[in-house]
Amino acid sequence: KNEVEQSPQNLTAQEGEFITINCSYSVGISALHWLQQHPGGGIVSLFMLSSGKKKHGRLIATINIQEKHSSLHITASHPRDSAVYICAVSGYSGGGADGLTFGKGTHLIIQP
Amino acid sequence: EPEVTQTPSHQVTQMGQEVILRCVPISNHLYFYWYRQILGQKVEFLVSFYNNEISEKSEIFDDQFSVERPDGSNFTLKIRSTKLEDSAMYFCASSVSGGMGSPLHFGNGTRLTVT
Repeated sequence: KNEVEQSPQNLTAQEGEFITINCSYSVGISALHWLQQHPGGGIVSLFMLSSGKKKHGRLIATINIQEKHSSLHITASHPRDSAVYICAVSGYSGGGADGLTFGKGTHLIIQP
Repeated sequence: EPEVTQTPSHQVTQMGQEVILRCVPISNHLYFYWYRQILGQKVEFLVSFYNNEISEKSEIFDDQFSVERPDGSNFTLKIRSTKLEDSAMYFCASSVSGGMGSPLHFGNGTRLTVT
């Protein structure tokens, strides 16, 4: 069973700061997902990656498969980035419909 | 942009009653999932569904739970004889392909309150 750990649990920063959220997992995976959950509860998929680095706007996600570690970076942070950021991993199964194992999330607050 | 839709957004039921949570996945998606999140806790996988059958299920998904795709568009989660500890947000998700093939698209969730 994969254990997914995120750090920090809570992060408060000022607008414009560079943000880094970390995720580590214990067992090899087929893919790692970064998700965003807003106060209303809805979940949005930000990235799915299995190697290297992906960028979308001000968000960057990296993964190091050997070290079983991923980071999510937010450049030029803005109050609208305030949300819970969740790391989740999918394992290997023959059927392909792998359930995700989730971390506890990082609660990010960006102050103006 | 196509969305996964869930109804109702909030369901209140009495302990021991049966509830059905409904989801309409994105139309060209083939893999469907249910997840739940108890208040203040992390999201947990319940079940995945592909080709009209359960593909994978967690230890949470016991005989109290069942899933069904009754027609070409709906995907339902039935919870029989609800318990207080079933109170949670239930998320439906879908994807074009499973595994590392494509990202998940989540619905906005159904908040189930068992009293």
